[in-house]
Amino acid sequence: QQQVKQSPQSLIVQKGGISIINCAYENTAFDYFPWYQQFPGKGPALLIAIRPDVSEKKEGRFTISFNKSAKQFSLHIMDSQPGDSATYFCALMNTGFQKLVFGTGTRLLVSP
Amino acid sequence: DVKVTQSSRYLVKRTGEKVFLECVQDMDHENMFWYRQDPGLGLRLIYFSYDVKMKEKGDIPEGYSVSREKKERFSLILESASTNQTSMYLCASTPSGTAGNYGYTFGSGTRLTVV
Repeated sequence: QQQVKQSPQSLIVQKGGISIINCAYENTAFDYFPWYQQFPGKGPALLIAIRPDVSEKKEGRFTISFNKSAKQFSLHIMDSQPGDSATYFCALMNTGFQKLVFGTGTRLLVSP
Repeated sequence: DVKVTQSSRYLVKRTGEKVFLECVQDMDHENMFWYRQDPGLGLRLIYFSYDVKMKEKGDIPEGYSVSREKKERFSLILESASTNQTSMYLCASTPSGTAGNYGYTFGSGTRLTVV
């Protein structure tokens, strides 16, 4: 069963625009919510992560918004650049078990 | 620079063959993981290991086994390869108890085609 639902599957954004990717989950046992970025031919790499005790975390142009009551979290990429073109995965973890559960991925294309 | 190295970038095997995928990390991490990545399905956990000689089933272990004889090496074994095991296989590692701080370090993947 899919423990995390990610949308959209693909996204095209113009350079300078805002990219938004959403994830929803059911199991409230998760306590760590990272986003991974994957470029073609490479493995995923940790981009940014949040814990459920905060509603927002910002690192440069990347922001995670977290809504605990709705069991949803999203990635916002401000001023999107062509170099941001990649596949993005949301993920969940119960840190007691150290296992990541991944979303289905969003392929982002930022047009010049 | 820390690294997770997967021995093969591309692999083509025949149906019924026994296939070994090797993963080595140089970071002295306790935890190691094998995922497969398929379009539209994301990454799905096959097996993981918290320490040498230890292994745990993930979400899709059927048709696979693993071996961890040394801390730095985690091998994925396809006992009898089938075409539905054609996929990208990703190995990852993380220090014990810290995945929530540092995340996973992934290898670049092995693209396996079973014909």
